[in-house]
Amino acid sequence: EAQVTQNPRYLITVTGKKLTVTCSQNMNHEYMSWYRQDPGLGLRQIYYSMNVEVTDKGDVPEGYKVSRKEKRNFPLILESPSPNQTSLYFCASSLGTAVETQYFGPGTRLLVL
Amino acid sequence: EDQVTQSPEALRLQEGESSSLNCSYTVSGLRGLFWYRQDPGKGPEFLFTLYSAGEEKEKERLKATLTKKESFLHITAPKPEDSATYLCAVRLVVDSSYKLIFGSGTRLLVRP
Repeated sequence: EAQVTQNPRYLITVTGKKLTVTCSQNMNHEYMSWYRQDPGLGLRQIYYSMNVEVTDKGDVPEGYKVSRKEKRNFPLILESPSPNQTSLYFCASSLGTAVETQYFGPGTRLLVL
Repeated sequence: EDQVTQSPEALRLQEGESSSLNCSYTVSGLRGLFWYRQDPGKGPEFLFTLYSAGEEKEKERLKATLTKKESFLHITAPKPEDSATYLCAVRLVVDSSYKLIFGSGTRLLVRP
């Protein structure tokens, strides 16, 4: 089954404790992206990757890091989480940037205390 | 400033009562407009991509249209299972790279 998986689905952590949210897709998609979704603000793009070893900042990259060492994986790293990073996070992938359907993962709900 | 605005924020319809959702944008370098459906607790699900003014796409009771300034998602004879939040997004080219901007969505409730 074609899918995007994220782990963990729910996470409660404390300020400053490094964490990683994993994202994996099994569709051989080149393009992957991370978003955060906050009430009233909609979905905002954090980082995206057009292919292996190619990443770029989205709208709200501050406080986040990503890496794309393999085509299927695109982890999101919070080196020192803060309460304002409490949000619902989505990973997405698509075949290309010109003509694609973008598949979203199920989401990771993060609470930073 | 690049901006995407969806209206209304929320919409209640009776089953069978057709209506339209609006997505207006003020952006430069548009490279596609996307519509998604999002159910509570789930990730957005892709519905349509539109690239140029005048383009239309249809899927079951949904039809998306695009002009130079806005897109409409028309819902014909909706059913309760069409209840969801509908998101639109525009993709731009900024400094040779792509940027995606989402609207805040329209929450649709269809009552039986």
